[in-house]
Amino acid sequence: AQSVTQLGSHVSVSEGALVLLRCNYSSSVPPYLFWYVQYPNQGLQLLLKYTSAATLVKGINGFEAEFKKSETSFHLTKPSAHMSDAAEYFCAVSDSGYDKIIFGKGTRLHILP
Amino acid sequence: DAGVIQSPRHEVTEMGQEVTLRCKPISGHDYLFWYRQTMMRGLELLIYFNNNVPIDDSGMPEDRFSAKMPNASFSTLKIQPSEPRDSAVYFCASSFPPGQRHTIYFGEGSWLTVV
Repeated sequence: AQSVTQLGSHVSVSEGALVLLRCNYSSSVPPYLFWYVQYPNQGLQLLLKYTSAATLVKGINGFEAEFKKSETSFHLTKPSAHMSDAAEYFCAVSDSGYDKIIFGKGTRLHILP
Repeated sequence: DAGVIQSPRHEVTEMGQEVTLRCKPISGHDYLFWYRQTMMRGLELLIYFNNNVPIDDSGMPEDRFSAKMPNASFSTLKIQPSEPRDSAVYFCASSFPPGQRHTIYFGEGSWLTVV
């Protein structure tokens, strides 16, 4: 069965610094991979997704993620953090062609002024 | 376009009472999902439907929980009787079938407190 592991339940970065949120997946077939963001008191919003096209995926708000099959990773990055990026981020996986999407535990991103 | 609509947004109820959460998925989506989010357990998939038919309810915690989807535009999640440990945020979500369009869209959530 597919699964995702997010390394670090809390990550703190300074405003303007690089954001790196780590996600490793497990899947027996080529996966679809997703990053979602959740702002306080809101639902989850899709940031970006990988569906077997380009391995470097660009999303909203300047975020991007790279699919690395050899490392079974799909880390999320942003070159320069902004205060508005403070939120919880979820990595998710779905076996391509399968209907269930499984979410990781989430990483809370804190931005330091 | 209207997104996934959930009601109520907030509910406070006493232990033992019946709770009904409602969801209207995005028009045209074939899949509907119910998730529960807590600090301790994160985001858990409770049940999902395809074309109004329950496909996998293995995440439903107990017989006190039940979900229905009588038509393509409406679903309910019911807890009877409710207990304090059911306090959580319950999200409804919907999506197209697997494939390039496969993305889950979430509602704003129903915040349930059982006292």
